[in-house]
Amino acid sequence: GAVVSQHPSRVICKSGTSVKIECRSLDFQATTMFWYRQFPKQSLMLMATSNEGSKATYEQGVEKDKFLINHASLTLSTLTVTSAHPEDSSFYICSAGGTRAYEQYFGPGTRLTVT
Amino acid sequence: DQQVKQNSPSLSVQEGRISILNCDYTNSMFDYFLWYKKYPAEGPTFLISISSIKDKNEDGRFTVFLNKSAKHLSLHIVPSQPGDSAVYFCAASETSGTYKYIFGTGTRLKVLA
Repeated sequence: GAVVSQHPSRVICKSGTSVKIECRSLDFQATTMFWYRQFPKQSLMLMATSNEGSKATYEQGVEKDKFLINHASLTLSTLTVTSAHPEDSSFYICSAGGTRAYEQYFGPGTRLTVT
Repeated sequence: DQQVKQNSPSLSVQEGRISILNCDYTNSMFDYFLWYKKYPAEGPTFLISISSIKDKNEDGRFTVFLNKSAKHLSLHIVPSQPGDSAVYFCAASETSGTYKYIFGTGTRLKVLA
């Protein structure tokens, strides 16, 4: 299957700082990428849908000014957590969509810890 | 409101036996369903899918059954192997639009050797 990478895999930051997470599709072009977060023992919650060249679509309850998404190319989407707080600590996972509904390939995830 | 539910948070099965993981959904507009397998600190990996025009899809040891009237799907793993131990998520989508998936809360499967 297709490969999606995320960087960094782990990040620890201080409260009030911003953190950028990159999601790359390594061997295919993805017009659509998705960002999820997962709290311990909970489901993957979709945060936003990122379309190349246009503004991201955020799910209800997700602050677009706090979670900035940029999908500048067909192989790269970034999620920036601005002014991070301890409650933003979570596991963030991206996925990249192919041309068919089931073709969604997940990255390995990024563990964010805000101290 | 949880549109996709996996009511069993965990399941233990003996090696060689059948594992049955269940998933219920509430949105009748969902027409594509998937199962993902996830190891700790890794992203989910696609396992098997089923379209609402089918009631069964089989791939090796994995079979997914869909009961649309009951809004229920299940994943059968036969025979179960220790390497199958992981968290399994079902996900549902409306295929028109942006392939947005709604995930269940997951079931942790432990296959005992």
